[in-house]
Amino acid sequence: DVKVTQSSRYLVKRTGEKVFLECVQDMDHENMFWYRQDPGLGLRLIYFSYDVKMKEKGDIPEGYSVSREKKERFSLILESASTNQTSMYLCASSYTGEQYFGPGTRLTVT
Amino acid sequence: GENVEQHPSTLSVQEGDSAVIKCTYSDSASNYFPWYKQELGKRPQLIIDIRSNVGEKKDQRIAVTLNKTAKHFSLHITETQPEDSAVYFCAASNQGGKLIFGQGTELSVKP
Repeated sequence: DVKVTQSSRYLVKRTGEKVFLECVQDMDHENMFWYRQDPGLGLRLIYFSYDVKMKEKGDIPEGYSVSREKKERFSLILESASTNQTSMYLCASSYTGEQYFGPGTRLTVT
Repeated sequence: GENVEQHPSTLSVQEGDSAVIKCTYSDSASNYFPWYKQELGKRPQLIIDIRSNVGEKKDQRIAVTLNKTAKHFSLHITETQPEDSAVYFCAASNQGGKLIFGQGTELSVKP
C-alpha cells in the first residue's frame, strides 16, 4: 500500500524560527514535491526533486529551501519563519503521473 | 509558465443531479490532466486522469473530457451523492511529474 508520511500534523512556531518539515515515502519514487495549500489558491508548488541531491524551484520558492539526502526523504526548510508562511503544507511523491500525497502539516507562525 | 484556471470556485447541487467543473490551461505542450478529490481534513486523492491522446474517459459516475484545441478539460459527475461533497482540483502537466493545479472547486451535494 502506498504510504507518504509527514513529520507533524500540526506545528506552531514563532516568527524568525527555523522550521523543518519532513516527508518520507516508502514507494521508491524518484519524484517528490512540496506544496502549500491556501483557501482559494489551490495547491502551489514550492520545490520539487527528481532525484537524490537534486532540487528545482517551483512557483513560490521564496523563503523556503529543501534537502533531499536520501531517496525516500524530502525536507522543507523555512530559514526564518514569517506570519505569511502560516499555511497547510502538503508533500507528494510520484514515479510518473499520479502523485501520492501525505496527510499535510498545518503550520501556524505567530 | 503553465497556468491552470478552474471554475466555478463553489458548486451546490441537489442529490441526483449532475455536476460539471471546468479547467483551462495555457501551455499547449501539456499532455497529462488529472483530477484530485480532497475530502474535509484529508489528503488529495486521484479520482481520474486523462492523457492528451484521448478525448474522453469514463469511470462509473465520473468522466473527464479534453479539448486540446481549446485547451480546456472538464470533470463530469452524474447522479451525485452526498459523499461526493469535497474540494476538487484539476491539474496539468507537461514535463516529467510536475503538476500545476487549479484553484479548486468546493462541491456541495444536498440530500
